[in-house]
Amino acid sequence: AQSVTQPDIHITVSEGASLELRCNYSYGATPYLFWYVQSPGQGLQLLLKYFSGDTLVQGIKGFEAEFKRSQSSFNLRKPSVHWSDAAEYFCAVLTGGGNKLTFGTGTQLKVEL
Amino acid sequence: DTGVSQDPRHKITKRGQNVTFRCDPISEHNRLYWYRQTLGQGPEFLTYFQNEAQLEKSRLLSDRFSAERPKGSFSTLEIQRTEQGDSAMYLCASRRDRQTGELFFGEGSRLTVL
Repeated sequence: AQSVTQPDIHITVSEGASLELRCNYSYGATPYLFWYVQSPGQGLQLLLKYFSGDTLVQGIKGFEAEFKRSQSSFNLRKPSVHWSDAAEYFCAVLTGGGNKLTFGTGTQLKVEL
Repeated sequence: DTGVSQDPRHKITKRGQNVTFRCDPISEHNRLYWYRQTLGQGPEFLTYFQNEAQLEKSRLLSDRFSAERPKGSFSTLEIQRTEQGDSAMYLCASRRDRQTGELFFGEGSRLTVL
């Protein structure tokens, strides 16, 4: 079954430092991949998505992600983290014949001032 | 575009009681999804509708759970005879039928079963 794995449960970075959150997918064909962010008590907001084409995808809030087929990865990056980026981040893959999203377990990001 | 709205945002109930959650999707979205999220986990798919038709239900959706979307607009998720294990955030999301993948989420309804 198609799935995504987020190996890091918690990550702590200093404000201004760079960030990379890992996501590995399991899928036979080219997957449709997403990154969502969830702030405490809030719903999920889409950061970016990859369907095809350019493997470096730009998103909102200064985030980007790179699709690497050889590594089955879709890691999320940000050059300089802001304190407001502290949240939980979820990677997801489109499954069920394109009808639903399957999410990873999430990575909780803490930003130290 | 007023976004996906869910009601109530928080519900505390005693074990054995019934609860109902409502979701109003974005108006032109004909697909509506319910997910469940427990602490430390990602959202887990429960069910989805295309217009008023319920097209798929997860094995997570036991017989105590029922979802409806009678007129293809808002949806309700009812849990009968609640158990402590039902405590979770219930998330609703919607999208257009021919739009690829992206779901728009509401802020969720948090259920606590005592």
